[in-house]
Amino acid sequence: TQLLEQSPQFLSIQEGENLTVYCNSSSVFSSLQWYRQEPGEGPVLLVTVVTGGEVKKLKRLTFQFGDARKDSSLHITAAQPGDTGLYLCAPISGSARQLTFGSGTQLTVLP
Amino acid sequence: NAGVMQNPRHLVRRRGQEARLRCSPMKGHSHVYWYRQLPEEGLKFMVYLQKENIIDESGMPKERFSAEFPKEGPSILRIQQVVRGDSAAYFCASSPQKDRAVEQYFGPGTRLTVT
Repeated sequence: TQLLEQSPQFLSIQEGENLTVYCNSSSVFSSLQWYRQEPGEGPVLLVTVVTGGEVKKLKRLTFQFGDARKDSSLHITAAQPGDTGLYLCAPISGSARQLTFGSGTQLTVLP
Repeated sequence: NAGVMQNPRHLVRRRGQEARLRCSPMKGHSHVYWYRQLPEEGLKFMVYLQKENIIDESGMPKERFSAEFPKEGPSILRIQQVVRGDSAAYFCASSPQKDRAVEQYFGPGTRLTVT
């Protein structure tokens, strides 16, 4: 059974601070996706990482896929209130049809 | 381009009634996935359909739940005789190709409340 853990579960910070959230698993994956879900909306894809050790940047967001392709992190620099939301990771096995999501990190950025 | 559309956005049903949730995929997409998000839980896969065909229903509860994706019209997730535990957000995602977990686009969801 694949174990998937996201941490922290909740995070509340002040505008301008930096933060990192994590997605860890006991399994190896072919790729991994990060989504952000705002209240009352569906998840929106932020990034897909494919290669072990890969780092992708999206403005103030930096995503890293672990060398062993078992874990990933999302770092946000100078967080803004608009970053508030539920951040979900979805690791993907090669033959998977559907997405399996972690329980998410609920981020609140206070002005 | 219109994204994935779901309606209604909010649905209130009394225990024992039926709930019908609709999903119109993105233009050109013929593959639909349904997920459920229970309070305090993550998104869980329910069912994967192509037009007129159920491909994978391994995440569907065995009773009261059914799904279809007809040749014409939206995909429907149907819940019969709803119970309070069915209260959740139900999301639909569409994909242009078969078995493409990496390329799914989500709708805004339907929030079902069972009173």
